[in-house]
Amino acid sequence: EAQVTQNPRYLITVTGKKLTVTCSQNMNHEYMSWYRQDPGLGLRQIYYSMNVEVTDKGDVPEGYKVSRKEKRNFPLILESPSPNQTSLYFCASSPDLGSSYEQYFGPGTRLTVT
Amino acid sequence: QKEVEQNSGPLSVPEGAIASLNCTYSDRVSQSFFWYRQYSGKSPELIMSIYSNGDKEDGRFTAQLNKASQYVSLLIRDSQPSDSATYLCAAMNSGYSTLTFGKGTMLLVSP
Repeated sequence: EAQVTQNPRYLITVTGKKLTVTCSQNMNHEYMSWYRQDPGLGLRQIYYSMNVEVTDKGDVPEGYKVSRKEKRNFPLILESPSPNQTSLYFCASSPDLGSSYEQYFGPGTRLTVT
Repeated sequence: QKEVEQNSGPLSVPEGAIASLNCTYSDRVSQSFFWYRQYSGKSPELIMSIYSNGDKEDGRFTAQLNKASQYVSLLIRDSQPSDSATYLCAAMNSGYSTLTFGKGTMLLVSP
């Protein structure tokens, strides 16, 4: 089944404790992206990657890191989480760039930082 | 800062009616636009894309684009209670690298 998977789905952690949210897609997509979704603020892009070893900042990259060492994986790293990073996180992938830009979203990761 | 604006709603319509969802965008050079549906607690799913001025129909859904007015809309005909969700409008930047989403409009279809 073609899909984007994220792990964990739910995470409660404490301020300052490094964490990684994994994202993996099995569709051989070139493009991957991370978003956070907050009430009243909508979906905001954190980082994106156009291909292996190519990453770039989105609208809200502060406090996050990413890497793209393999085409299928795009982990999101919070090296020192803070309460303002409590949010619902979505990973998404897309076959390529251009006008046909259907993004496939993962199921989401609900993160709480206390 | 490129922006996509939507009314937050909720937009309430009776079953069988036409629901009209609207969106404006600030980046004049945006070329591609998308409507996503998001059920509560779920991830967004693409329902329509539109790239040219005019109307694009897919089943009960019609997307409309007016680049001169920087306006995108989504019409849902014969609305069903299962259409109750938040609808997200998104615009792609001119470099085809990022999507900017609106905050979404909640649609409630009552039986």
